[in-house]
Amino acid sequence: SAVISQKPSRDICQRGTSLTIQCQVDSQVTMMFWYRQQPGQSLTLIATANQGSEATYESGFVIDKFPISRPNLTFSTLTVSNMSPEDSSIYLCSAGLAYNEQFFGPGTRLTVL
Amino acid sequence: AQTVTQSQPEMSVQEAETVTLSCTYDTSESDYYLFWYKQPPSRQMILVIRQEAYKQQNATENRFSVNFQKAAKSFSLKISDSQLGDAAMYFCAYRPYNNNDMRFGAGTRLTVKP
Repeated sequence: SAVISQKPSRDICQRGTSLTIQCQVDSQVTMMFWYRQQPGQSLTLIATANQGSEATYESGFVIDKFPISRPNLTFSTLTVSNMSPEDSSIYLCSAGLAYNEQFFGPGTRLTVL
Repeated sequence: AQTVTQSQPEMSVQEAETVTLSCTYDTSESDYYLFWYKQPPSRQMILVIRQEAYKQQNATENRFSVNFQKAAKSFSLKISDSQLGDAAMYFCAYRPYNNNDMRFGAGTRLTVKP
């Protein structure tokens, strides 16, 4: 298994600003993912973070709004840009070996005013 | 596209009793993985149990077991001897064998009554 940490655990932001969420894994993993979980809802995959190349985004999510970096095998960031209240959600990072189960971070609770 | 359905938004169980959470999925694949994740109020998603579709034997992990019916595309989770710490949201998830795209159900909120 992998232990995953996220920073910040929560934040309250103003409309129009951006927030970068960090995800750190305690071991080298092949795959890293970013999910959004709106209150009381299930998880929706935003993108797959690819090391050294552009992330692969799911339908409805674009790089300009959710830029992602993955400089190495254990670290990734997700930026939520030009935020609006609709972006208020929990953002979860997950990681794992290819074609295996995913392990999740504790999530970042974002509130946009 | 693969979809995962959890038809029970909420369930409750008496402490020490047994409860079964339902999950069905839709796929045209023959090889895939199924998972149950638990998300307590702390938000940390925890893997409870995993089942490979090619295995006929149902997976078990201590008090947690599954009833995997491949033909019916059903994957229910049974929690025996329920404990207060089992209270959480439970998500069923599906992933194709050669793909990292994991799909989650809407979740079932489990309450454990003392």
